[in-house]
Amino acid sequence: DTAVSQTPKYLVTQMGNDKSIKCEQNLGHDTMYWYKQDSKKFLKIMFSYNNKELIINETVPNRFSPKSPDKAHLNLHINSLELGDSAVYFCASSKVLGQLNTGELFFGEGSRLTVL
Amino acid sequence: DAKTTQPNSMESNEEEPVHLPCNHSTISGTDYIHWYRQLPSQGPEYVIHGLTSNVNNRMASLAIAEDRKSSTLILHRATLRDAAVYYCILRNNDMRFGAGTRLTVKP
Repeated sequence: DTAVSQTPKYLVTQMGNDKSIKCEQNLGHDTMYWYKQDSKKFLKIMFSYNNKELIINETVPNRFSPKSPDKAHLNLHINSLELGDSAVYFCASSKVLGQLNTGELFFGEGSRLTVL
Repeated sequence: DAKTTQPNSMESNEEEPVHLPCNHSTISGTDYIHWYRQLPSQGPEYVIHGLTSNVNNRMASLAIAEDRKSSTLILHRATLRDAAVYYCILRNNDMRFGAGTRLTVKP
């Protein structure tokens, strides 16, 4: 069974469209994340949710909206797609240990978004 | 911004040990040191982590300096499958990645 699964794996779309990427984890973790890895391969955190509550929101355009219907799911919706949104998006999850969120991260395989 | 500094790239020969360094001079007392690696076309995967003491697992060893301002990931016998980008991260309610070290393993 895949621990952190993302769909779709590949997404090709036109500028201006709205798209969503879904993420599910079956590890029973409390915290989920979205990361963006651009063409230069830098891995940047975008959002983090803990028990459906937003705890990290980096400087990301308002066009990006995460949604966590329950603690096993964290979806990423992107409005009005732009060329610069082309990247690989990784979902991850971790378990909260004690008072600090220091558990190891488990990543999905990534969703490659190409905006034409 | 990432709080760690790593060399951009390193090379190793197959079946030789590899020592991947990481500097984290601004580490705080509650920061755990995590290492991840990303193989080509895959998501990052957890390798090892520690707080103060050296750690060993089936993948690697982690040596942590006494002042905790640096650490070294040790792959005891590099294989071609170990070629990846290795990330050293300070983990404390946060998980920001730096550029990592690209390890090339030569046959």
